[in-house]
Amino acid sequence: DAGITQSPRYKITETGRQVTLMCHQTWSHSYMFWYRQDLGHGLRLIYYSAAADITDKGEVPDGYVVSRSKTENFPLTLESATRSQTSVYFCASRGRGPTTHGYTFGSGTRLTVV
Amino acid sequence: RKEVEQDPGPFNVPEGATVAFNCTYSNSASQSFFWYRQDCRKEPKLLMSVYSSGNEDGRFTAQLNRASQYISLLIRDSKLSDSATYLCVVTVASGSARQLTFGSGTQLTVLP
Repeated sequence: DAGITQSPRYKITETGRQVTLMCHQTWSHSYMFWYRQDLGHGLRLIYYSAAADITDKGEVPDGYVVSRSKTENFPLTLESATRSQTSVYFCASRGRGPTTHGYTFGSGTRLTVV
Repeated sequence: RKEVEQDPGPFNVPEGATVAFNCTYSNSASQSFFWYRQDCRKEPKLLMSVYSSGNEDGRFTAQLNRASQYISLLIRDSKLSDSATYLCVVTVASGSARQLTFGSGTQLTVLP
């Protein structure tokens, strides 16, 4: 089915490990986003991408790396995981063009760093 | 100061009640405005867009006051299924894309 999928749904990793969260969308949407959600902070933008090979930092990019070699994939990598990166991570996508909205979120990845 | 501020609640109301949520935003360049709904441990989903003229979708009414940088959501005849966290969201053009900026959310519990 068409949509936006995130994997894994749950992940436990150790401090210092590298971990990659995957995001895949089947609509060929130009824009993709990574948010993290923590209690008391709401959703905060980590990185976003306007097209393949174009990425920009969001509000909280430190400790994260992204790539966009293909339009449909937007992986998020924690280079050396820290406990403060324990969070729920949501990927979203949006098409280009005149639209009042069009953002769709994946189901989220719940990451615990121990 | 947060870019989008909401009363976190929680709001606990009986079925059938009317409840109102408020939100303020700090960036006068904000372009689009939305209310999202988020159920426990799930992804946010669009509830409705918000327009300056005010708009209604069934039991839900949204208002925007650009001069005061204020957004509201009114829910009439609350149902048990309305229990969720309601997120106020604005978009601002920045860099290569319009970005969603979220409030921290207002938690609503509708009681039988």
